[in-house]
Amino acid sequence: QSVLTQPPSVSGAPGQRVTISCTGSRSSIGAGYDVNWYQQLPGTAPKLLIYYNNNRPSGVPDRFSGSKSGTSASLAITGLQAEDEADYYCQSHDGSLGAWVFGGGTKVTVL
Amino acid sequence: QLQLRGSGPGLVKPSETLSLTCIVSGGSVSSYDDYWGWIRQPPGKGLEWIGSISHDGTTYYNPSLKSRVTISVDTSTNQFSLKLTSVTAADTAVYSCARHTNIPGRTRWFDPWGQGTLVTVSS
Repeated sequence: QSVLTQPPSVSGAPGQRVTISCTGSRSSIGAGYDVNWYQQLPGTAPKLLIYYNNNRPSGVPDRFSGSKSGTSASLAITGLQAEDEADYYCQSHDGSLGAWVFGGGTKVTVL
Repeated sequence: QLQLRGSGPGLVKPSETLSLTCIVSGGSVSSYDDYWGWIRQPPGKGLEWIGSISHDGTTYYNPSLKSRVTISVDTSTNQFSLKLTSVTAADTAVYSCARHTNIPGRTRWFDPWGQGTLVTVSS
């Protein structure tokens, strides 16, 4: 059971908007720790998608955006494309555990 | 361009020690602001942070693994290493190394990642 909770799967048609939630606690996201997001394409290592809640590394399309509020965060993908089909993970820090923590991952399927 | 490449045995016997090394190129493990981390992913499952080390050798371990983990850094060869003792089948996973970095005052993230090494624990 992961410290950060994500839905196991979300799906959408090409061109649609999907969102992935990441729910933490008062000792993690709610304590003010930032949320980072990763994309893992099949058979590859995770790749940083969003850092510091809503910042995109160079080369990441602006179709990907992040937000954070209270004890939760969200990743939005607008204009969904077939190449976005992947697993997405949120990551933060838990002050009570003294550990960097990940969500359980969300599989995005493009219908 | 910073690149990380992990290496080590793909098969370890139960109760023995898993040892992996990550070679860093295009950057330095002595970088003041960066940590260097290990993350694992059991087959078909999610990501788990194992631990990280800073340039001066300060270590940070996942409490759930702390009693069995040692991470070290070798600045002369620009690499860092992971040792996990008393392994069981539950430790079977893809083990990845990554730079663990941040903007001062913000929560660290992992970027870039090495390609990952599948380690199977089996007799």
